[in-house]
Amino acid sequence: DAMVIQNPRYQVTQFGKPVTLSCSQTLNHNVMYWYQQKSSQAPKLLFHYYDKDFNNEADTPDNFQSRRPNTSFCFLDIRSPGLGDAAMYLCATSRGDHIADTQYFGPGTRLTVL
Amino acid sequence: QQQVKQSPQSLIVQKGGISIINCAYENTAFDYFPWYQQFPGKGPALLIAIRPDVSEKKEGRFTISFNKSAKQFSLHIMDSQPGDSATYFCAASRADKIIFGKGTRLHILP
Repeated sequence: DAMVIQNPRYQVTQFGKPVTLSCSQTLNHNVMYWYQQKSSQAPKLLFHYYDKDFNNEADTPDNFQSRRPNTSFCFLDIRSPGLGDAAMYLCATSRGDHIADTQYFGPGTRLTVL
Repeated sequence: QQQVKQSPQSLIVQKGGISIINCAYENTAFDYFPWYQQFPGKGPALLIAIRPDVSEKKEGRFTISFNKSAKQFSLHIMDSQPGDSATYFCAASRADKIIFGKGTRLHILP
C-alpha cells in the first residue's frame, strides 16, 4: 500500500554526469514536491508542481530541473551533479494547492556524487 | 526572516518521561505549523499541526503549545516510549512557502 514511491533508493553518479530521480504516487494528489535534505539539515524545498504548473523556489540552482508527465509521476533531473549535490532527495505530495496542506513523503533517494 | 530555529539538536529521555522540543520562527506571515516525524530510512510523516488561532492542540500523547506573541511553538511528548525514537522536524508555512527546522534526534531509553 505504498503511497509515494521513489526510485532508486540509492543512486551513485559521477561528477558532471546527468542523473534522474523518479517519484510516483498512488494518492492522485494534485501537488508534487521535491526537497533536498543534506546530512543533519532541514529539508529544503526545490520546487513543486500544482497539476502541470511548475513553481520553482527562487534559490534553486538552474542545475536542477523537473518534469511531471502525468498526475502520478514526477522526475528530478540534475544536469551536471557537483559534489555539493550529494544529499537525500525527498518527494512529497499533497491534495490541495496550499503548501500547508498535509504532505505525504516518500522514503527518499540518497544521491552520492563521486 | 525565513528561518525556523529548532532546539535541541538531540535529546535523550527516559521511558515514561516528557520529551520537549522547541521551535521559533521570525516571519509573522506563517499561518500553519506542522511537526513531522522521521524514522531512519523513511520519509517524514505528519505528526500533528497547529494554526495560530489556538494556543494548544493535543492528540493522544502529543501536544503542541503555541505562543504567537513570542513566535515560538513546542512539541511535548508525554509518557515517551522507545517507539518514539526518531527525528522530529518542526515547520512553519503559509500558502506558498514552507520552512523546516533542522530537526531533533530523539532517543528514548528503555
